[in-house]
Amino acid sequence: GDSVTQTEGLVTLTEGLPVMLNCTYQTIYSNPFLFWYVQHLNESPRLLLKSFTDNKRTEHQGFHATLHKSSSSFHLQKSSAQLSDSALYYCALSPSGGNYKPTFGKGTSLVVHP
Amino acid sequence: NSKVIQTPRYLVKGQGQKAKMRCIPEKGHPVVFWYQQNKNNEFKFLINFQNQEVLQQIDMTEKRFSAECPSNSPCSLEIQSSEAGDSALYLCASRTGASQNTLYFGAGTRLSVL
Repeated sequence: GDSVTQTEGLVTLTEGLPVMLNCTYQTIYSNPFLFWYVQHLNESPRLLLKSFTDNKRTEHQGFHATLHKSSSSFHLQKSSAQLSDSALYYCALSPSGGNYKPTFGKGTSLVVHP
Repeated sequence: NSKVIQTPRYLVKGQGQKAKMRCIPEKGHPVVFWYQQNKNNEFKFLINFQNQEVLQQIDMTEKRFSAECPSNSPCSLEIQSSEAGDSALYLCASRTGASQNTLYFGAGTRLSVL
């Protein structure tokens, strides 16, 4: 079946430094959709960004990611971390079309300190 | 902002007791998911529905949970006999039909089994 592998556990950063959270995936489907969801403390998860197009950069709220099908990757980046970026981040995969359940990675906890 | 409504926010049960939680999906979303978010913050898929029909469920759900999504009523997830290991945040999410569409999550029901 499908699988998603993320940077595991806790990532701690100083404010102002760049953010990079890794996400790689395995799927039998040729045209997957990749997602990043973010969950702040005591809030529900919400979509941060998603992509379907190979080698096209997708941006939202200062974060960006590019789907690279050649390396099966969808890494999340931001040029300068802010305190408010502290949250849980989940990478997820869904095949296109049909009615499949998404596959989630185990989540990465990002803590940004002053 | 997500309009998936989950009740109750908190649920405390003794071992062996039934635990029932409800979810009203976002209007116009026929596909509903239940996830268990454990203490390691990992998402565990439990079951999903399209309209009133079960699409997929894991073995544990089939054996120990009772779930339904009746028309014109909230969806529900009920643990028949709670165990300590069931203590977790239960998240309901909904989306429109196709698998590439975004999941919208509720705030969750936090279950504590004493």
